[in-house]
Amino acid sequence: EVQLLESGGGLEQPGGSLRLSCAASGFTFNTYAMSWVRQAPGKGLEWVSTVSGSGDSTYYADSVKGRFTISRDNSKNTLYLQMNSLRAEDTAVYHCAKGPWGYFDDWGQGTLVTVSS
Amino acid sequence: EGVLTQSPGTLSLSPGERATLSCRASQSVSSNYLAWYQQKPGQAPRLLIYGTSSRATGIPDRFSGGGSGTDFTLTISRLEPEDFAVYYCQQYGSSPREYTFGQGTKLEIK
Repeated sequence: EVQLLESGGGLEQPGGSLRLSCAASGFTFNTYAMSWVRQAPGKGLEWVSTVSGSGDSTYYADSVKGRFTISRDNSKNTLYLQMNSLRAEDTAVYHCAKGPWGYFDDWGQGTLVTVSS
Repeated sequence: EGVLTQSPGTLSLSPGERATLSCRASQSVSSNYLAWYQQKPGQAPRLLIYGTSSRATGIPDRFSGGGSGTDFTLTISRLEPEDFAVYYCQQYGSSPREYTFGQGTKLEIK
């Protein structure tokens, strides 16, 4: 059974930083691209970033480019999202998601990030 | 960047009825890269359909997807009580690599 467990969310001030983690199990981690998808309170889904299975290639939404960095540690089956220069509009539940290129076939429950002074 | 527009925003139907949800893209989408998700309150999204018309593992056959080019549909043939939720379409662009979601359709009990 695939399990994706996010952690690291919390309350941070504008301009601050947070690092999210996603511990994966139940599949061969290094063979799948992994992504972060967020959902602001009461809003729809927004893709944030994707990293290839090897970790060599990364992709970002324009809204986070230059501020967020996605990475993975295949020896630990863990996905990360380093979030810098946080803004109020980054407030959301952040889900990690697994999938072949094109769609997301498994999702974690998410971790809430709140950016507020 | 492609934009996906879902309609209607809210759909009110009764159990046993047929639901048809629409997803229109601002530019042509490869049929390989159009997916649908279901999300219930407090839960993570669940993949229903990928590649326009392929059902994900464990998805009942009352769910079907279709379409091509810029117009895609999700059809639920006979609504069950557990089907009332929010549905999102999603496209994938390979150059540049990016994903886009529609704004969602809320399917509510009439």
